[in-house]
Amino acid sequence: ETGVTQTPRHLVMGMTNKKSLKCEQHLGHNAMYWYKQSAKKPLELMFVYNFKEQTENNSVPSRFSPECPNSSHLFLHLHTLQPEDSALYLCASSPITGLAGYLTGELFFGEGSRLTVL
Amino acid sequence: AQSVAQPEDQVNVAEGNPLTVKCTYSVSGNPYLFWYVQYPNRGLQFLLKYITGDNLVKGSYGFEAEFNKSQTSFHLKKPSALVSDSALYFCAVRASGNRDDKIIFGKGTRLHILP
Repeated sequence: ETGVTQTPRHLVMGMTNKKSLKCEQHLGHNAMYWYKQSAKKPLELMFVYNFKEQTENNSVPSRFSPECPNSSHLFLHLHTLQPEDSALYLCASSPITGLAGYLTGELFFGEGSRLTVL
Repeated sequence: AQSVAQPEDQVNVAEGNPLTVKCTYSVSGNPYLFWYVQYPNRGLQFLLKYITGDNLVKGSYGFEAEFNKSQTSFHLKKPSALVSDSALYFCAVRASGNRDDKIIFGKGTRLHILP
């Protein structure tokens, strides 16, 4: 148990559906992330939020829409996805420390949401 | 640009033997280096990190890693492998001193410990 909870664990959706992935952490961390994990590829960083502000959007298609209403919750809204978007979506959080707010610590990951797009 | 390479897709080791999982990195400035492990159907778990200080870093489950600045490597090691060590291992890096930098992961190395 890492303190980061993701729901749902599994999701099957059609290309015209709208769904959302949810991530919740109660570790007191101020940075949250979405990563995409596909087989035999490096983890792809999708979005970063520091203190609820989006600081990274790694050229992600607009059919993925993140939302961070507070430091403990992060959503990934999904709309008109493609079959190649099928993957494991991992949420992570980390503390921000230091005077300049550097990300000096490790990431705490949730168990992931396995998405299948038909 | 920073990057990390794990040259082996899979490593097979007999139980009880020492294991090494390789990682090399490229980063401007001083690196922060990490190892994570992923068991089936689970998220990634932090194993250990190098920020500064001793080149040999000890972490969870008896793992350790050696930072080698001249070879830009951070190989993961364990003196005696267990079957339960079988999992997917990820090396990660970020550059220190840069607020906008992010943690970059390798593609992972699957470790099989043979009974």
